[in-house]
Formats: sequence, structure tokens, C-alpha cells
Amino acid sequence: ETGVTQSPTHLIKTRGQQVTLRCSSQSGHNTVSWYQQALGQGPQFIFQYYREEENGRGNFPPRFSGLQFPNYSSELNVNALELDDSALYLCASSTAGGPTDTQYFGPGTRLTVL
Amino acid sequence: RKEVEQDPGPFNVPEGATVAFNCTYSNSASQSFFWYRQDCRKEPKLLMSVYSSGNEDGRFTAQLNRASQYISLLIRDSKLSDSATYLCVVSSGGYQKVTFGIGTKLQVIP
Repeated sequence: ETGVTQSPTHLIKTRGQQVTLRCSSQSGHNTVSWYQQALGQGPQFIFQYYREEENGRGNFPPRFSGLQFPNYSSELNVNALELDDSALYLCASSTAGGPTDTQYFGPGTRLTVL
Repeated sequence: RKEVEQDPGPFNVPEGATVAFNCTYSNSASQSFFWYRQDCRKEPKLLMSVYSSGNEDGRFTAQLNRASQYISLLIRDSKLSDSATYLCVVSSGGYQKVTFGIGTKLQVIP
């Protein structure tokens, strides 16, 4: 096990609602990255947080936002949910936020938007 | 052109066979390369990092060819437990922008 935890494990929402997903990073890790994995696709990078600051963002609209807390845990917020937001949301923690750092994934939150 | 391209497969191979996957990437400034394994409905798990000199871990060998911009994964003596999706991962940029391929599905058959 990686020591990265995510909650909830499953979630069902309706279109237009808002959702908050949570991630606790592995002990000693100060960087959290969030990914969206649609069925049959590879994970897509949403954004990364390093020491409570956004440290990079993928091609996702502003309704995807996040936070990182002093204990390095993190939240992903998605507003105005759309049907296409249905996916597995993965967070990954690492140590320093550099391009060579290995990322360790949590088990994911499976979001279904109806 | 996609940033990271993989053949999605599936690759169906008998137990004991040797199988190889390739992955091409488009950003010549890419700095780090990894292979992750993902079992059905589970999170990706790091299989191995890929270095310019190539690296081996038991039955698994990874190679990087910067000139041709591809990485490869070779699995020797395939086991039933190797059945999974293998994700090619490329990291570049000043921050940890990580790009995953679509994954290659491997099914090892008894």
C-alpha cells in the first residue's frame, strides 16, 4: 500500500451539482497531483499542489479547483458538474514536485454524474 | 499528435512468452519516464522508472531511446499475474507535468 488515501470511494451526483473529493498524502510527501481517468483512457493531469500553492495545471476548465492544507492533504472541487465529468479521480503524492519524482497513487474516487 | 502514444492492445500471450510494448512521446524536452501497472478498477502502481542506460528488474526490462523518442518495456517468462494494463508515463516541464499514455492491455493466457 502507498499510504495515500482518498475519500469517498464512490460518489453519485447529478448534473449541475458541486463535488469535493479529498486526498491524504503519504507521510513525508509535500506534493499532491490530481488526475481524471475516464473509462478506457489513461489518467489526465488536472493540477498539482506543492506546499499549498498550485504548481501546474493541465487542460481543465476553472470549474475544477483545488486546495492543499498545511498537513499536505488536498481537496479537488468540481462545480457545475457535467455528464463527462464521470470518471475515476486519482490523487498522487510525491516528495518535492520535480519532474523526476515518483508519484504514488491513492485508490481513487469513482464519480458518476447522472 | 498525442503527447504519449501507446498501442492499446489487447496483447494476448501464452504463459512463459516474452512480450514487448513500445511507447512514443512527442516532447523532446521530456525528462523522466516511467512504466506503471494498473489492474482493473484499481489505481496505477509504479512498475519501474526508465533510464537512458536501460534498467532491469527481474523479468522486466525498460529501455529509453531519446533519439527516436520512445520507451519500451520487455516482459520475459510472462505469468498469469502479469495480466494488467501497462501505462507509459512521461514527465516534463519545470513542474511535475506528467502525461500518461492510454495504456496497453496485456492478457496472459494459461
